[in-house]
Amino acid sequence: AQSVTQLDSQVPVFEEAPVELRCNYSSSVSVYLFWYVQYPNQGLQLLLKYTTGATLVKGINGFEAEFKKSETSFHLTKPSAHMSDAAEYFCAVSELDTGRRALTFGSGTRLQVQP
Amino acid sequence: DAGVIQSPRHEVTEMGQEVTLRCKPISGHDYLFWYRQTMMRGLELLIYFNNNVPIDDSGMPEDRFSAKMPNASFSTLKIQPSEPRDSAVYFCASSPGVYLEDEQFFGPGTRLTVL
Repeated sequence: AQSVTQLDSQVPVFEEAPVELRCNYSSSVSVYLFWYVQYPNQGLQLLLKYTTGATLVKGINGFEAEFKKSETSFHLTKPSAHMSDAAEYFCAVSELDTGRRALTFGSGTRLQVQP
Repeated sequence: DAGVIQSPRHEVTEMGQEVTLRCKPISGHDYLFWYRQTMMRGLELLIYFNNNVPIDDSGMPEDRFSAKMPNASFSTLKIQPSEPRDSAVYFCASSPGVYLEDEQFFGPGTRLTVL
């Protein structure tokens, strides 16, 4: 079975500073990887996803993530944080070979942006 | 499109009472998911449906929980009897499901408090 680890429960950054949110996964088969964002009192919204091809994927709001198979990682980055980026971010994985449509989510990382 | 609609947005009930959560997926989406979010366990899948048929209910905690999808535009999650440990935010999500990497669109959630 697959699992997702987000080691940082909270990441504080200053406005305009770079952001990195870490995600590692474990799976015995090939996977698709996702980052979702959750703003306060709202549902989750897809930021970006990796399926095949280019390992650096770009998403909405200036975020991007790089799939590194050798490191089983899919870290989320942004060059410059905005106050509006303050939210909780979830990394998720979907296993290919099983055909199972469900996502397995990490525990989430709360991004705190300080002025 | 109005997105995924969930009702009620908030529910407060007493232990032992029956609780019914409702979800209207996005029209045309073939997959519907129920998730539960708690501080202790994070975001976990309870059950998902394909074309109104339950596919995987391995995440349903126990017999007190049941989910139905009588038609393509409506699903319910019922807890009977409810217990304080059921307090959580329950999310419904839907997906076109044509491809494994299809985005899941989340509703705003129902915050359940069982006293």
